[in-house]
Amino acid sequence: ENVLTQSPGTLSVSPGEEATLSCRASQSVSNNYLAWYQQKPGQAPRLLMYGASSRATGIPDRFSGSGSGTDFTLTISRLEPEDFAVYYCHQYGSSQDTFGQGTKVEIK
Amino acid sequence: QVQLVQSGAEVKKPGASVKVSCKTSGYTFTSYGISWVRQAPGQGLEWMGRIRVYSGDTNYAQKFQGRVTMTTDTSTTTAYMELRRLRSDDTAVYYCSRDATGFDNWGQGSLVIVSS
Repeated sequence: ENVLTQSPGTLSVSPGEEATLSCRASQSVSNNYLAWYQQKPGQAPRLLMYGASSRATGIPDRFSGSGSGTDFTLTISRLEPEDFAVYYCHQYGSSQDTFGQGTKVEIK
Repeated sequence: QVQLVQSGAEVKKPGASVKVSCKTSGYTFTSYGISWVRQAPGQGLEWMGRIRVYSGDTNYAQKFQGRVTMTTDTSTTTAYMELRRLRSDDTAVYYCSRDATGFDNWGQGSLVIVSS
């Protein structure tokens, strides 16, 4: 199983600032099949990024993804009030998908 | 628009089975897979497995092998997930999702409570 470790567990950021979230895989993610999701309380997750760096439909360009192999990053520039949520990475490059444990982005 | 609408909340006793449905619309059902993901209270997301609708092929997370069955009904564009021999730690919200490049559309979730 490809274990995904997200850091930090919680990130305190002020609105308008930038947030950088990390996702590290225990094995190389095949074809960079790495996605990021945003989840707010009581809601289903929402796809933000796929293929490590492609934005999903309707996702604003303040969200960007980068990385390859085992190290991936989600960057949220100019945080808006609606961006405070929990973020998960997900690898779908093997026969057993896995999720990271999540990073909570909270208001500083 | 793409929609996935799941069945309602269920309360089950330990040892019982639950079958959650996921009615889809707004896209060609057989062109995508369906994955199931669960989330225990206050916890993260856990992938349970996927079904490739066109072929019916399934791929289950090792943790659930032997206890889960995923099926589809193409005539009603509905996916199903059955989990057997329920335990208290199966209490969770269960989500279906359209399996594209990542999970690009999700159901609203179905709460399953396992309690004696």
